Amino acid sequence: AQSVTQLGSHVSVSEGALVLLRCNYSSSVPPYLFWYVQYPNQGLQLLLKYTSAATLVKGINGFEAEFKKSETSFHLTKPSAHMSDAAEYFCAVSLSNTDKLIFGTGTRLQVFP
Amino acid sequence: EAQVTQNPRYLITVTGKKLTVTCSQNMNHEYMSWYRQDPGLGLRQIYYSMNVEVTDKGDVPEGYKVSRKEKRNFPLILESPSPNQTSLYFCASSFGISNTEAFFGQGTRLTVV
Repeated sequence: AQSVTQLGSHVSVSEGALVLLRCNYSSSVPPYLFWYVQYPNQGLQLLLKYTSAATLVKGINGFEAEFKKSETSFHLTKPSAHMSDAAEYFCAVSLSNTDKLIFGTGTRLQVFP
Repeated sequence: EAQVTQNPRYLITVTGKKLTVTCSQNMNHEYMSWYRQDPGLGLRQIYYSMNVEVTDKGDVPEGYKVSRKEKRNFPLILESPSPNQTSLYFCASSFGISNTEAFFGQGTRLTVV
């Protein structure tokens, strides 16, 4: 069965510091992987997605993620955090032969001045 | 503007009083789904629909009903709400499920007392 694990329910960084949010997946077939962001009092919106093309995926707002099959990981990074990046981030996985999009438990990112 | 609209945004109700949360999308998407979001649990799928008159259970369907009579609408029905259904609910739609972006509504915060 497919699943996704996000390590760290809370991550705090200083403004300008590197952001690293971790996501590991479990899948018996090649997965499709997504990162969504949820700003306060809003729905989720897509940051980026991996669909078996390039392993390094660039998304909106300067975020990117690298698909590493050997590590079953899809960590989200941003070189320099901005105050506006404070939000909750969800990693999600789906398979081509299923009707499901499975979400991780989320990581809340705090950015301090 | 492409969007998924949920109503109401906030609802407080009493145990046992039937309620409906509406969801409408204007993107002609085939796939629609309902999720509930609870602290520490991420998003869990309640029900989904592949197209008009085609619905199926997600991971946590107990206590909920849905219908898909029109492509654009996918209401969530709680016939007899209980306090354990207090949660934040999201409707989402997409063209497919495996490798396409899901668009989310703004959420409905439901409190059952």
